[in-house]
Amino acid sequence: GAGVSQSPSNKVTEKGKDVELRCDPISGHTALYWYRQSLGQGLEFLIYFQGNSAPDKSGLPSDRFSAERTGGSVSTLTIQRTQQEDSAVYLCASTQEFNEQFFGPGTRLTVL
Amino acid sequence: KQEVTQIPAALSVPEGENLVLNCSFTDSAIYNLQWFRQDPGKGLTSLLLIQSSQREQTSGRLNASLDKSSGRSTLYIAASQPGDSATYLCSFNAGNNRKLIWGLGTSLAVNP
Repeated sequence: GAGVSQSPSNKVTEKGKDVELRCDPISGHTALYWYRQSLGQGLEFLIYFQGNSAPDKSGLPSDRFSAERTGGSVSTLTIQRTQQEDSAVYLCASTQEFNEQFFGPGTRLTVL
Repeated sequence: KQEVTQIPAALSVPEGENLVLNCSFTDSAIYNLQWFRQDPGKGLTSLLLIQSSQREQTSGRLNASLDKSSGRSTLYIAASQPGDSATYLCSFNAGNNRKLIWGLGTSLAVNP
């Protein structure tokens, strides 16, 4: 596709369950970012990939959060043992040559 | 600490007015600055990207300026329309990994 896609668009889960969020970046974009937008708060950086490696994981809020990227393309953000405070919109962005970042529509995660 | 402040937090104007949204940032060593639009329940749409070497960018009725020395950017919207109603987010891109640092946004309502 022409833009960044994310799936699922909405995810409702029970506290304690694991979830996987997927991001398909724009083809050819080498850098991929995950951000989180919580209700009433600004966006916060989670993790950045250059190719398949993650030079900066400083934004991951706890060790329950992990992410990987394969083939320099698709990325998966995994949250283990979800908590209610994990409820947010998770946004993925990709960019080429560290220029303009293009965002996907986001995944709205609700933890009951 | 890298921070972005957006003023005002909310703005309501009648249709047809010209308006200015303000953004200030703490890091003068930015790589670029990007303005986004976010509609309720939707993802982020990039409006304008200003490189650190530039002073302004224009797209249609939008004009964004950048003053690195004072740490300020403004987004000027000419002849506002009800369709411009959205939240406008300012972000700057700094550091080796080029992650975006975000403001909390200005919520704009243009009334017909």
